[in-house]
Amino acid sequence: GAGVSQTPSNKVTEKGKYVELRCDPISGHTALYWYRQSLGQGPEFLIYFQGTGAADDSGLPNDRFFAVRPEGSVSTLKIQRTERGDSAVYLCASSSQGSTGELFFGEGSRLTVL
Amino acid sequence: ELKVEQNPLFLSMQEGKNYTIYCNYSTISDRLYWYRQDPGKSLESLFVLLSNGAVKQEGRLMASLDTKARLSTLHITAAVHDLSATYFCAVDKVHYQLIWGAGTKLIIKP
Repeated sequence: GAGVSQTPSNKVTEKGKYVELRCDPISGHTALYWYRQSLGQGPEFLIYFQGTGAADDSGLPNDRFFAVRPEGSVSTLKIQRTERGDSAVYLCASSSQGSTGELFFGEGSRLTVL
Repeated sequence: ELKVEQNPLFLSMQEGKNYTIYCNYSTISDRLYWYRQDPGKSLESLFVLLSNGAVKQEGRLMASLDTKARLSTLHITAAVHDLSATYFCAVDKVHYQLIWGAGTKLIIKP
């Protein structure tokens, strides 16, 4: 597709459940990012992939959060034992190698933990 | 620790007026970005500012960067209703790990 695609757009789950959020970046973009945005705030960095490897995962809040990008394209953000505080919009972005750093964002996955 | 502060956080203005949104950041960086977000939508890139003194304009919006003052401004000229949105500035910390301001919610009344 032309833009960054994220699924699901909305996910409601119960506390303690496992959740996977998927991101399909712009074709040819080697860099992929996950951010989290809470209501009324700016996005918060979670993790950055360059190709298949996580180049910077310093933003992941704890070990319940994990992300993969096995073939250097689609990425999955995985959240174990969800907590109510995990409720937010999870944004994925991609950029091309050697670019100005301009990020292209998807529409986000809104996660609600009851 | 890199911090990014925007002000004002909320701005209501009439069509036709001019106004400026300010973005201050706390440590040295030479990459600054402005994004727009409509309610329930994702972030749309507006400007990429890569050097001291950079100025970019698109329609009624103009952004500038002063790296010595650690300040960027987003100026709105003769505002129109369609510019109502939340505007974010973001500063490049490292490897494109952006640190974001809290956003300025702009409401332009017809």
